[in-house]
Amino acid sequence: DGGITQSPKYLFRKEGQNVTLSCEQNLNHDAMYWYRQDPGQGLRLIYYSQIVNDFQKGDIAEGYSVSREKKESFPLTVTSAQKNPTAFYLCASSPHTANIQYFGAGTRLSVL
Amino acid sequence: SQQGEEDPQALSIQEGENATMNCSYKTSINNLQWYRQNSGRGLVHLILIRSNEREKHSGRLRVTLDTSKKSSSLLITASRAADTASYFCATALSSGNTPLVFGKGTRLSVIA
Repeated sequence: DGGITQSPKYLFRKEGQNVTLSCEQNLNHDAMYWYRQDPGQGLRLIYYSQIVNDFQKGDIAEGYSVSREKKESFPLTVTSAQKNPTAFYLCASSPHTANIQYFGAGTRLSVL
Repeated sequence: SQQGEEDPQALSIQEGENATMNCSYKTSINNLQWYRQNSGRGLVHLILIRSNEREKHSGRLRVTLDTSKKSSSLLITASRAADTASYFCATALSSGNTPLVFGKGTRLSVIA
């Protein structure tokens, strides 16, 4: 089946800990994205990548880091510098930045 | 940066009624897209309308675009309880190679 897989579905972070959220796609899309969604709110762009080994900051990149070593994979690390990480994180991909985006099922991150 | 703004923020209707949601945006666009999100899930693409199109239909969905007013509307006809979800508009800017910009969404509740 083609699509985007995010894991884990639920994640808990301890104080001072870095955690990594996984996002894998088999759609052969060039562009991938990470969004943060707070309760009752819209999507805010964290980082995006239009090609392997390149990525750009979105509107709320502070406290997050990404890598794009393979076309299929775009992991997001929530660092200890992100003081309010509790949110729903969504990964998406598209053939090009103006195209339709395909979303994963999301990862819900909470702080212990 | 928020480009699209949906109106109303929340809408509650009876099953069988029509639901209309509006989206306003600020800058020139290449296309405008509507997405749906069920609670706790990823977004699903519904329909895309290009800047040179005025109206588009897909099943029970009708989208209009008025580029002179920088606004779009999504009409869901003969609504069903299963249409209960949040609906987001997203704009692809005409300025080039930038990601979609999502609005904050309209929460639709369809009461059986």
